Amino acid sequence: GDSVTQTEGPVTVSESESLIINCTYSATSIAYPNLFWYVRYPGEGLQLLLKVITAGQKGSSRGFEATYNKETTSFHLQKASVQESDSAVYYCALGDSGGSNAKLTFGKGTKLSVKS
Amino acid sequence: NTKITQSPRYLILGRANKSLECEQHLGHNAMYWYKQSAEKPPELMFLYNLKQLIRNETVPSRFIPECPDSSKLLLHISAVDPEDSAVYFCASSQEGRLSNERLFFGHGTKLSVL
Repeated sequence: GDSVTQTEGPVTVSESESLIINCTYSATSIAYPNLFWYVRYPGEGLQLLLKVITAGQKGSSRGFEATYNKETTSFHLQKASVQESDSAVYYCALGDSGGSNAKLTFGKGTKLSVKS
Repeated sequence: NTKITQSPRYLILGRANKSLECEQHLGHNAMYWYKQSAEKPPELMFLYNLKQLIRNETVPSRFIPECPDSSKLLLHISAVDPEDSAVYFCASSQEGRLSNERLFFGHGTKLSVL
């Protein structure tokens, strides 16, 4: 089956430092899955941070970026300068492509703490 | 996020029956139940589209979903087991059939089984 592996947390970074959370995927049923980063802020539900559906493309949102690399089957999340408000749990996920019965397969999540 | 509401937020049970409720105010056609156990990723349990159950993952029979209308989703649990301790997330999306859709999640119901 499909699977997603991401950086084990917790990750602690100082404010204004750079961040990278690694994500690699294995998609056994589809060649080019859709890739997502979801984020869960304290006390809230999961929400979409960014998505990329075309291999080779980059997605960005709120200063975060991720590039869909089909050669390395990776979708690492990066930010040049983190803020305390970025403290959250980040989930990498892949979606079936093919158009029927949409399903997301999530990674375990990476808890990020940004200290001031 | 008040667009998808779940109740209750916290639930502590012995071996009892209980129902989790979810309602979305986004006009979406698809609704989902996801389960997230400790140290594990969220995992899909059920997917409804236009009130029809179209995806039913391998889930114990004590979990019974119900979709009385396209904006409401229930999860009935009978005789809970300790392995059911988890956070249960409700989600919705526009169609539920397209793999690039954005999902909107509720806050979750944290179930603790004694």
